[in-house]
This record gives sequence, C-alpha cells and structure tokens, in this order.
Amino acid sequence: KAGVTQTPRYLIKTRGQQVTLSCSPISGHRSVSWYQQTPGQGLQFLFEYFSETQRNKGNFPGRFSGRQFSNSRSEMNVSTLELGDSALYLCASSPQVNTGELFFGEGSRLTVL
Amino acid sequence: SQELEQSPQSLIVQEGKNLTINCTSSKTLYGLYWYKQKYGEGLIFLMMLQKGGEEKSHEKITAKLDEKKQQSSLHITASQPSHAGIYLCGAENSNSGYALNFGKGTSLLVTP
Repeated sequence: KAGVTQTPRYLIKTRGQQVTLSCSPISGHRSVSWYQQTPGQGLQFLFEYFSETQRNKGNFPGRFSGRQFSNSRSEMNVSTLELGDSALYLCASSPQVNTGELFFGEGSRLTVL
Repeated sequence: SQELEQSPQSLIVQEGKNLTINCTSSKTLYGLYWYKQKYGEGLIFLMMLQKGGEEKSHEKITAKLDEKKQQSSLHITASQPSHAGIYLCGAENSNSGYALNFGKGTSLLVTP
C-alpha cells in the first residue's frame, strides 16, 4: 500500500505570494490532518478534514486554508506569504476519525524569501 | 491550552546503552502518543497510551504512562544507530477534538 504522498517536496516562494500544497492519503483513509513544523514552535496543528468537511482548525490566521476532495485528497493554501511561514508542512491521514494514530507523509518544505 | 514538555532536548548515547526520554503534561493526559521522526522527514507512530499505569513495548522500546496520567516516559534498551532521530510525544487536545498537541521533541544520536 502506498503511503501518504505530499507534493511538492520542496518549494521556494517570496513574500506576498501564495502557495498550494497537496496531499494524497493512504488508500481507504478518509481523515486528513495538516501540521506545521518549525524549529521555534515545533509541530503545530493546522486543520483536520473528514469526508470533505473541516472538523477542527488550529490557531492559525485566515491566510491558511484547506479543503478535501471527494477522493479524500487534500490541499492547503497559504496566501500572502510571510517569512515566518517558512516551515515543513506535514500531512497525515488515518482510516478513521477520533484517533491520534496518524500516518504522516514526508512533508513539503516551504522556504519564503 | 495543554503544554507538553520533553526532556532532555537532546541526547547522545553510545551504542548499546539504555536511555529514557520524558514527556510531562500540564494537564491530565487522555491519550498520549509517541512518534519518531527522521531528520526532515515525516513522523512514524510508535505507541499510544491511555490508561494510568499502562506500559507498552515494541522491540527494544518501552513506553509508560504514570498513574496520574500527567507524565510518560520512553525507554530504549541497548540503543542502536537505527534508533537515532527525533522522538515526539503528542497528546489529544481537548479543545480540538483529536488534533494532537506535540512536545518540542528529543533529538537522539547514537554513536558507535
């Protein structure tokens, strides 16, 4: 079974631009979560989707948004990029909701210049 | 909000030595998860603990949750280079459903 796939793996943007990151969960997994990892703040929860509905949202500004499609694939978008948005963005999937046993992708490393 | 504090922040041990990583919560833990991360990569689930006093083992890694459910420890016996990485504890966030709050991680290096 293929794991969680995130694209792109690496990208460089400049301040003010926007970025879209994609996540394909493990086949059969309907729950997708997104996390941001930075050296200073560590790993922080962004949002969780299940059956195309956002179930939970972390404490991030409205510039961070996401969605889930009917095939469970998910995208997250960050608009008006700031230097502080440079981070490793991790997507995780699980076969069910209400579990912290997550299967993580390798992440998308975003650098904002 | 719940905070998880991990100690030590980093650890260098010689191959074959035992080590322990601690995770302390500011609130009662209702679900405590241990993950391992290779540098710059995704996280791999190790174990989940829910009940006070619970202990689980997988290969040479043992995790425990104390009776008061506010502290967990991860113990590695006879460490190997393959154990190197960052170990993170995560706890269910009562304010955000099953979203996890994570500690800052413990970086482990195992030397020959």
